[in-house]
Amino acid sequence: DSGVTQTPKHLITATGQRVTLRCSPRSGDLSVYWYQQSLDQGLQFLIQYYNGEERAKGNILERFSAQQFPDLHSELNLSSLELGDSALYFCASSVVAGGSDTQYFGPGTRLTVL
Amino acid sequence: GENVEQHPSTLSVQEGDSAVIKCTYSDSASNYFPWYKQELGKRPQLIIDIRSNVGEKKDQRIAVTLNKTAKHFSLHITETQPEDSAVYFCAARFFNDYKLSFGAGTTVTVRA
Repeated sequence: DSGVTQTPKHLITATGQRVTLRCSPRSGDLSVYWYQQSLDQGLQFLIQYYNGEERAKGNILERFSAQQFPDLHSELNLSSLELGDSALYFCASSVVAGGSDTQYFGPGTRLTVL
Repeated sequence: GENVEQHPSTLSVQEGDSAVIKCTYSDSASNYFPWYKQELGKRPQLIIDIRSNVGEKKDQRIAVTLNKTAKHFSLHITETQPEDSAVYFCAARFFNDYKLSFGAGTTVTVRA
């Protein structure tokens, strides 16, 4: 167990809908990262927050947004869902924002869009 | 951003043999190189990492080597066991960047 928690574990929804994925970082970690992993694909970086502020953006669609709250948990919002959004969504956390800091992954949320 | 290439994409080895996975990166200023193991449907788990001021690091049957001149780093697994079967991802971080750039992954199968 990495100490990073994600809810829900599974999510099944329809095209056009909106969902929210939640992540709680390890105790003491200030930085949260979101990754998308499609079937048989690698890990694609979406976005990173550090202590409530956005720090880095990757290949995140405009239909997706995220935020980090004062208690450091983070939410990833996916809207106008398409079939191709079906994937595993992981969040990871680390103590600081960059440098050589180790990232620990949560168990992931499996999103299925029908 | 950083570009990471990983080879091979699949690797099948006999139990007890060694497995080697190689990654190359594009930016010479990268300074941190972790390796993650991911079993089917589970989270990526850090198995070993190396920083740019070190050439080699070992942890029991796992070792990572870094060649900064050639811009490549490799994972070595010795005395492979069936539980080593998984997908392995390498990653690199540019020194002034916040995100990890991952390789495409190597599916390792250890044959009993």
